[in-house]
Amino acid sequence: NAGVTQTPKFQVLKTGQSMTLQCAQDMNHEYMSWYRQDPGMGLRLIHYSVGAGITDQGEVPNGYNVSRSTTEDFPLRLLSAAPSQTSVYFCASRRDRVGEKLFFGSGTQLSVL
Amino acid sequence: TQLLEQSPQFLSIQEGENLTVYCNSSSVFSSLQWYRQEPGEGPVLLVTVVTGGEVKKLKRLTFQFGDARKDSSLHITAAQPGDTGLYLCAGARRGNSGGSNYKLTFGKGTLLTVNP
Repeated sequence: NAGVTQTPKFQVLKTGQSMTLQCAQDMNHEYMSWYRQDPGMGLRLIHYSVGAGITDQGEVPNGYNVSRSTTEDFPLRLLSAAPSQTSVYFCASRRDRVGEKLFFGSGTQLSVL
Repeated sequence: TQLLEQSPQFLSIQEGENLTVYCNSSSVFSSLQWYRQEPGEGPVLLVTVVTGGEVKKLKRLTFQFGDARKDSSLHITAAQPGDTGLYLCAGARRGNSGGSNYKLTFGKGTLLTVNP
């Protein structure tokens, strides 16, 4: 049971480049989400999904797109990277009920030059 | 406006000391969770508290949920170097219809360093 798997672990982009951060979970969780973590800002929700075909915006969605074609996968796309998107990104999943544990991936450290 | 305020932001202590970390809000939460994060890894859940006034113990860690379900504390007894990490609290509230059944909001965290 792998849990939540994120790739890549590290990535460097130039301003304006696009890329996709991959996230997969094997726990059949309905809910999946993407967070970014910046010093002094804590974890901020970018986008989330409560099931295949359903996505919604979080606290800081601008500059990011998501899709949920399967229960297992929830990729995060940066269409035109900006230096302000330099951060550590975490994918997380859980069952969509009150009090459920959030399982995090190990993170992607992204630098945009 | 930060929904969940954690204090202190940084804490550096010697092995064997006791410490308390606080998580405060003006909002009521359905439940509150505490996570610990180590460098280069994602946060890992330590505990979930659901009932106002609830106290849970995990070895040397004691978690308390406020009576009004607006605040929580984490107390560590006889801290050890292995307790070093970023401690995050996260409050859950009912979500809007059509979206998630509940929304989780994180505090900014308390970075704890326990020196040998």
